[in-house]
Amino acid sequence: SQQGEEDPQALSIQEGENATMNCSYKTSINNLQWYRQNSGRGLVHLILIRSNEREKHSGRLRVTLDTSKKSSSLLITASRAADTASYFCATRDTDKLIFGTGTRLQVFP
Amino acid sequence: DGGITQSPKYLFRKEGQNVTLSCEQNLNHDAMYWYRQDPGQGLRLIYYSQIVNDFQKGDIAEGYSVSREKKESFPLTVTSAQKNPTAFYLCASSILLAGGAKNIQYFGAGTRLSVL
Repeated sequence: SQQGEEDPQALSIQEGENATMNCSYKTSINNLQWYRQNSGRGLVHLILIRSNEREKHSGRLRVTLDTSKKSSSLLITASRAADTASYFCATRDTDKLIFGTGTRLQVFP
Repeated sequence: DGGITQSPKYLFRKEGQNVTLSCEQNLNHDAMYWYRQDPGQGLRLIYYSQIVNDFQKGDIAEGYSVSREKKESFPLTVTSAQKNPTAFYLCASSILLAGGAKNIQYFGAGTRLSVL
């Protein structure tokens, strides 16, 4: 079962532009996480936002969480070609994580 | 050098054959997980384990088996009963905190399994 659904499925932008991807989930959460996956590689944890937080920053990343709408967004500012990857949100279901379907981001130089 | 090591990177299976994917971690994590990823898709949980000699089925356990004889190791066997095994397999591990508050997972580099 997949709890999170990312939108859009794919996103293409130029270097220097901002990239925004959204995640919707179905049930109550303790926290929501975002992961990045380079092509053919494992996932890397980017940022975690707790259910009592509304916004969190880490470098060029900004995550927001709206628990009333059961949604989160990940903003990457001033994107670089190296940001090209798939991005997944994940929510906790008791003792395991449920991953969304992912957004494939392509940043052109 | 701490981390999770998956081997092999590429694996080919013949019809009717069982194959085993290796996953080893030296992060001293209690919990370990196996996921399957199909092209352009998200991750689906196959099995997970929170303690040695114990494991639970995930969403797609049929045709797979695991063991957890050591804390560091969580091998996955893809049996001949798995009729569509071609996929990218990812192993992960995490700390188990009281209440499981964070549950951030650390991933290996993956094994790509194909059928001959």
